[in-house]
Amino acid sequence: QKEVEQDPGPLSVPEGAIVSLNCTYSNSAFQYFMWYRQYSRKGPELLMYTYSSGNKEDGRFTAQVDKSSKYISLFIRDSQPSDSATYLCAIPRPGGYNKLIFGAGTRLAVHP
Amino acid sequence: EPEVTQTPSHQVTQMGQEVILRCVPISNHLYFYWYRQILGQKVEFLVSFYNNEISEKSEIFDDQFSVERPDGSNFTLKIRSTKLEDSAMYFCASSEAGGEEPQHFGDGTRLSIL
Repeated sequence: QKEVEQDPGPLSVPEGAIVSLNCTYSNSAFQYFMWYRQYSRKGPELLMYTYSSGNKEDGRFTAQVDKSSKYISLFIRDSQPSDSATYLCAIPRPGGYNKLIFGAGTRLAVHP
Repeated sequence: EPEVTQTPSHQVTQMGQEVILRCVPISNHLYFYWYRQILGQKVEFLVSFYNNEISEKSEIFDDQFSVERPDGSNFTLKIRSTKLEDSAMYFCASSEAGGEEPQHFGDGTRLSIL
């Protein structure tokens, strides 16, 4: 079983839609969870950083962690064409020097 | 906002040649990393570096690879004798502290081996 799994998409939605992006993980010791956004030909840009279960909101973005199901989500409200990018979940391996384990990334296209 | 900068943006090299990829991490950060992303694949960890030494490396990071912080601002990745399979995007990242502190990435160097 892969440590972090993410559906690569692509996901295509109309402008204004609510987008749900998801990852599952296998190691119950994981405690911190990150979402990065990657535009074409650019590096990953940190979007959200959460610890433990629950929700964290930042503007149109909400990160949700369900540790009992080993499931993390990123919701985008009122999606815009500028949100078109690849979204990567990333989890630091505990006990190490912050080695990040990435999901495959979900490619999102928001069309006007 | 401070950012990680990487040069060059694209490097084309003949197989067997040495290549050095350069990074300037965020100035107050103490932990530095290299990742790579082969086309169509996941971003994967190569190496972490703290206090002038490697703190962790992956199985990919074999004897052909080395890292160095030659001065107070630069962080480099050297590949001694490049192979075709080294073609990838190489990302440098830095973080203020270790543990689960978030990492900030540069825009990468696209390495093409001919």
